[in-house]
Amino acid sequence: QVQLVQSGTEVKKPGSSVKVSCKAFGDTFSNSGISWVRQAPGQGLEWMGGIIPIFGSTHSAQNFQGRVTITADGSTSTAYMELSSLRSEDTALYYCARGRGLTGIQYYFDSWGQGTLVTVSS
Amino acid sequence: QSALTQPRSVSGSPGQSVTISCTGTSSNVGSYNYVSWYQHHPGKAPQLMIYDVNKRPSGVPDRFSASKSGNTASLTISGLQAEDEAYYYCCSYSGSFTLVFGGGTKLTVL
Repeated sequence: QVQLVQSGTEVKKPGSSVKVSCKAFGDTFSNSGISWVRQAPGQGLEWMGGIIPIFGSTHSAQNFQGRVTITADGSTSTAYMELSSLRSEDTALYYCARGRGLTGIQYYFDSWGQGTLVTVSS
Repeated sequence: QSALTQPRSVSGSPGQSVTISCTGTSSNVGSYNYVSWYQHHPGKAPQLMIYDVNKRPSGVPDRFSASKSGNTASLTISGLQAEDEAYYYCCSYSGSFTLVFGGGTKLTVL
């Protein structure tokens, strides 16, 4: 069973960027994808985007296009999510999740990281 | 992309059954059999309960079942137990390698 371990809490200023990591233990990304999902305070889950590491293909939700960069390092089984031009509304708990589905497409998530709290405040 | 529509809350007594609906459009739920459901206890990571509309991962009790009709998917929990109290989210593939979640439903076990 894969375990996803995320980096720690971040506090950022508006306009800056944040980069969150997600290391997979027990999986080499060989047959799965990684997605990033966030939950703002009092809100539901929101899919931000994902990557299929073996193909290097990335996709993001329209709301985040141009602001989110998702990468992966297969040699360390670590995925990264960088969100730029931060604003207060980006304050949220950010989760990585292992995506499963057809080859090249992830459409459900069978393992989740513990979440990384990102606070954007001046 | 608009979130899928779920009721904000549902409730039931122990032993009863509840059904949570998830309404999308012909661009997501209606077009793909790639609906999944997640149980989320606050402070913990979400847990996959259903994938591919109605398939249960190993370890998920068969009290959890799901289906889809047209643009609406449904999750049914039978034999409610206290530990089922949580938030439930549906998620659907929405084409072009994108996904969309529902707004979430809080299940209260009375």
